[in-house]
Amino acid sequence: GAGVSQTPSNKVTEKGKYVELRCDPISGHTALYWYRQSLGQGPEFLIYFQGTGAADDSGLPNDRFFAVRPEGSVSTLKIQRTERGDSAVYLCASSFSGSVTDTQYFGPGTRLTVL
Amino acid sequence: KQEVTQIPAALSVPEGENLVLNCSFTDSAIYNLQWFRQDPGKGLTSLLLIQSSQREQTSGRLNASLDKSSGRSTLYIAASQPGDSATYLCAVKSRGSTLGRLYFGRGTQLTVWP
Repeated sequence: GAGVSQTPSNKVTEKGKYVELRCDPISGHTALYWYRQSLGQGPEFLIYFQGTGAADDSGLPNDRFFAVRPEGSVSTLKIQRTERGDSAVYLCASSFSGSVTDTQYFGPGTRLTVL
Repeated sequence: KQEVTQIPAALSVPEGENLVLNCSFTDSAIYNLQWFRQDPGKGLTSLLLIQSSQREQTSGRLNASLDKSSGRSTLYIAASQPGDSATYLCAVKSRGSTLGRLYFGRGTQLTVWP
């Protein structure tokens, strides 16, 4: 079966613009996660969905960042008024149930560049 | 807050060498620890997951150990090959956080030359 997919693979935008990043999880996975990876750093947690609801959004850096998962499958990460510091690779992952023993399966990421 | 550190940051070895990557974490109250591989432009691939009750896990030429009380894990790669070249990331799932959250180290960038 298909793995986690993310679109677009690359996004270049100008400071102040709005962007949306999409994640398609593995079919049947109820848990979905967003991470951000800056150059030379490990991934940093942003938000975790269990079904349609955000179980933990404590990693979102500020209120310019918002994520939705309206039908419990595809998720969209939305960034308003982008800043140069938002430039990073945004990784999405999914897991079967979000349990302690779950393995998270990662997508290839979306590289966001804010000029 | 859980902090994960990986040493060394980069490693370059000739093909055939056995090598050890190190990971340490500050809070020993964890559910599990996971080692990932990241290739340039690609996502993370899970290599090994060690539950907190386990001491080690093996998969092929890879062996990961966990010493929870001292906050350390090692990834041992036997008979390294050029195809092993990648960044290796260590991540922990902490008891003090929601089940979904992984805390990652910065990774060890491994280069194996022929």
